[in-house]
Amino acid sequence: AQSVTQLDSHVSVSEGTPVLLRCNYSSSYSPSLFWYVQHPNKGLQLLLKYTSAATLVKGINGFEAEFKKSETSFHLTKPSAHMSDAAEYFCVVSDATGNQFYFGTGTSLTVIP
Amino acid sequence: DAGVIQSPRHEVTEMGQEVTLRCKPISGHNSLFWYRQTMMRGLELLIYFNNNVPIDDSGMPEDRFSAKMPNASFSTLKIQPSEPRDSAVYFCASSSLAEQYEQYFGPGTRLTVT
Repeated sequence: AQSVTQLDSHVSVSEGTPVLLRCNYSSSYSPSLFWYVQHPNKGLQLLLKYTSAATLVKGINGFEAEFKKSETSFHLTKPSAHMSDAAEYFCVVSDATGNQFYFGTGTSLTVIP
Repeated sequence: DAGVIQSPRHEVTEMGQEVTLRCKPISGHNSLFWYRQTMMRGLELLIYFNNNVPIDDSGMPEDRFSAKMPNASFSTLKIQPSEPRDSAVYFCASSSLAEQYEQYFGPGTRLTVT
């Protein structure tokens, strides 16, 4: 069975400081992992994805994530937060067929000026 | 491509009325998903289709909900009769094997049932 745990429901950082959003997954096979972002009253947008290639994945808007199999983690990071990064972030693992996505409960990121 | 298109963007209806939500997936995508998002329950997968065939509808809350995909470019989610607890944002997403099943989401339909 597949599942995702986002360890923080809310994260608050100051503008210009690093961002860390934590995600742990459970999967019975080599997973595909995704991070999506949802801005208020908007749909979900893909930030980045891991599909068994390089373990350090770079995404849009300066975000990146590292797949660590030994820790079953896929944490999302950004060196310097921008006000526009304030949003809800979802970590996702797909099933073996790629047909089903299992969403985490989301982490709300607040960026303080 | 214009991305996944959903209509209407907002729907306000009275309890007991029929509601139909529409989705046009990205051309060439062979999988389509319907999700519901609420504050209480987060994102829930309702149903998904592969090649226009419903594969898993275990997330559909009850018989009042039905979904169809008559062709590769169109899907509907119908609620009949609607209830206030159906108020939510409903998202449609599509994906394809060629893109390693990355799901592309539409902008959503915000449904309010009074």
